[in-house]
Amino acid sequence: DTGVSQNPRHKITKRGQNVTFRCDPISEHNRLYWYRQTLGQGPEFLTYFQNEAQLEKSRLLSDRFSAERPKGSFSTLEIQRTEQGDSAMYLCASSLVAALAGESEQFFGPGTRLTVL
Amino acid sequence: QQQVKQSPQSLIVQKGGISIINCAYENTAFDYFPWYQQFPGKGPALLIAIRPDVSEKKEGRFTISFNKSAKQFSLHIMDSQPGDSATYFCAATPTAYNFNKFYFGSGTKLNVKP
Repeated sequence: DTGVSQNPRHKITKRGQNVTFRCDPISEHNRLYWYRQTLGQGPEFLTYFQNEAQLEKSRLLSDRFSAERPKGSFSTLEIQRTEQGDSAMYLCASSLVAALAGESEQFFGPGTRLTVL
Repeated sequence: QQQVKQSPQSLIVQKGGISIINCAYENTAFDYFPWYQQFPGKGPALLIAIRPDVSEKKEGRFTISFNKSAKQFSLHIMDSQPGDSATYFCAATPTAYNFNKFYFGSGTKLNVKP
């Protein structure tokens, strides 16, 4: 399967614990996005990377959240000191940006569902 | 403040019927409007998209109607099938940005009865 993959698919944690999610984009894609989706809502933009550079962060991304894409391939999203309000589906998407063609469609992964008890 | 408002929240349609989902936006900088389909346990997948230079776009059984003056757009699913049962999200983005920052609607859960 050459689509976007995310691990783990489900994570249950206790309030105050740290969690880390991983996203593996489509191999040739140079742009990677993180979104958060709460129950009954559409995805909300959190941040995005162009290669290894993190270029924009939403105000939704508090200081407890950090994302990295160290080699411009996979990305991790870490949440420190989790709170019950962090419970959501965390989606990753990737796309290809080419100089003349612009940005391709964003392909989404299946998401990581986080439950904070 | 929700940038894209979507209705209805849920929709039940008989097989063969027409499903209609509506979205409205305020930001006139938005100039790319995709629709995504999401099945349980999966991420959203692009279904069809439109730019405001056309009023309608059709791909198979799926049609987007766009009304620029009213700042509204809608998805029509003709001859709806049980396999179309999923959650549908409209979205919008200003492509003048150097990246596609999508603003999604809240979703419509479609159930097509056999």
